[in-house]
Amino acid sequence: EVQLVQAGVEVKKPGESLKISCKASGYSFTNFWIGWVRQMPGKDLEWMGIIYPDDSDTRYSPSFQGQVTISADKSISTAYLQWSSLKASDTAMYYCARRESDNFYDYFHHWGQGTLVTVSS
Amino acid sequence: SSELTQDPAVSVALGQTVTITCRGDSLRIYYANWYQQKPGQAPVLVMYGKNNRPSGIPDRFSGSGSGNTASLTITGAQAEDEADYYCNSRDSSGDLSYVFGIGTKVTVL
Repeated sequence: EVQLVQAGVEVKKPGESLKISCKASGYSFTNFWIGWVRQMPGKDLEWMGIIYPDDSDTRYSPSFQGQVTISADKSISTAYLQWSSLKASDTAMYYCARRESDNFYDYFHHWGQGTLVTVSS
Repeated sequence: SSELTQDPAVSVALGQTVTITCRGDSLRIYYANWYQQKPGQAPVLVMYGKNNRPSGIPDRFSGSGSGNTASLTITGAQAEDEADYYCNSRDSSGDLSYVFGIGTKVTVL
């Protein structure tokens, strides 16, 4: 069974750093791209970026380029999303999701349960 | 980058049919996918490609599309179908990037 497991809640202060994780199991981690999606409180889904764990090829949405860093450690089947200096506006739910693709289709089937990041002084 | 447009909200009587629409230039190139999100839960894929349901998704969900428009239809809506529905596709920029619609709140009356 494919599973993406994320920690539940992170509470941080503005200016602090944070690295959240997405641990994969039930499949070959290096064979599928993992994407990250932000959902601010009461708002819609926003695609942030995606990584291929086998070679760490990473692509970012222009909206998030330079604001976050996406990485992966294939030795422990875990993808990461990190901030060097959090802002209150980073308060949101963050989901990881596994990309499925072939010649015709390209979609995110398996999702983590999300990590709620709260940034407040 | 591309944008996907959805109606913010629709309502449907219990047992009736509702169609949600998604529009965007990227849909001329890439298929739309649809995700259902209930309050406090992660999104769930309910439709991908032209009309493909993942395992476990009821057959009252169906998809269609033409040109720059994709649609998700719920035939015989049930109370448990009340949720936000988001469309998504590859971005038409050519790089590996994606776009989500703003979501449609479906209320089952």
